[in-house]
Amino acid sequence: GAVVSQHPSWVICKSGTSVKIECRSLDFQATTMFWYRQFPKQSLMLMATSNEGSKATYEQGVEKDKFLINHASLTLSTLTVTSAHPEDSSFYICSARTPWAEAFFGQGTRLTVV
Amino acid sequence: ILNVEQSPQSLHVQEGDSTNFTCSFPSSNFYALHWYRWETAKSPEALFVMTLNGDEKKKGRISATLNTKEGYSYLYIKGSQPEDSATYLCAWGRRSGTYKYIFGTGTRLKVLA
Repeated sequence: GAVVSQHPSWVICKSGTSVKIECRSLDFQATTMFWYRQFPKQSLMLMATSNEGSKATYEQGVEKDKFLINHASLTLSTLTVTSAHPEDSSFYICSARTPWAEAFFGQGTRLTVV
Repeated sequence: ILNVEQSPQSLHVQEGDSTNFTCSFPSSNFYALHWYRWETAKSPEALFVMTLNGDEKKKGRISATLNTKEGYSYLYIKGSQPEDSATYLCAWGRRSGTYKYIFGTGTRLKVLA
């Protein structure tokens, strides 16, 4: 399968600071990347769809000013959690869609805001 | 409401038993149905992608079927092994304007030795 690298795998930050998470497709070009968040004991909730070179499409209830998504190249999308608060602590995971319509996941990022 | 539901939510089976789970999804705007296997602390592993009604896919002891008209997919595991213990996620690939994946709630499988 194709390889998607997500970094960092875990991060602890202070309340009020911003955190950037990177998602890279290593061996294919991903015109579309997806960002998910997993709440405790729940499945993956789609936050936004990121298309290369255009603005991300956010799901209802996701604050676009809080979760900034940039997809500046065909192999990199970033999610920045701005002014993080403890309630933003969660597991965030990206997936990248291959040209042959499969989706592969990054390793996920465990964010803890203290 | 775009709901993708999986059942059961969790189950325990004995080693050697065969088992199956269900994924239900809206039948409109269907593009693809994906199955993933997700072990704790690892990234979800792609198992199958199915796009056509009646599709059947097989990978070792695991197989899946698809019914797009009624909006369901089954995942089967034959002769379960302890290493099959994981959460199995299905994702409905929906095309209506932009393409997106909506995940089910997952089925947590525990295979007892």
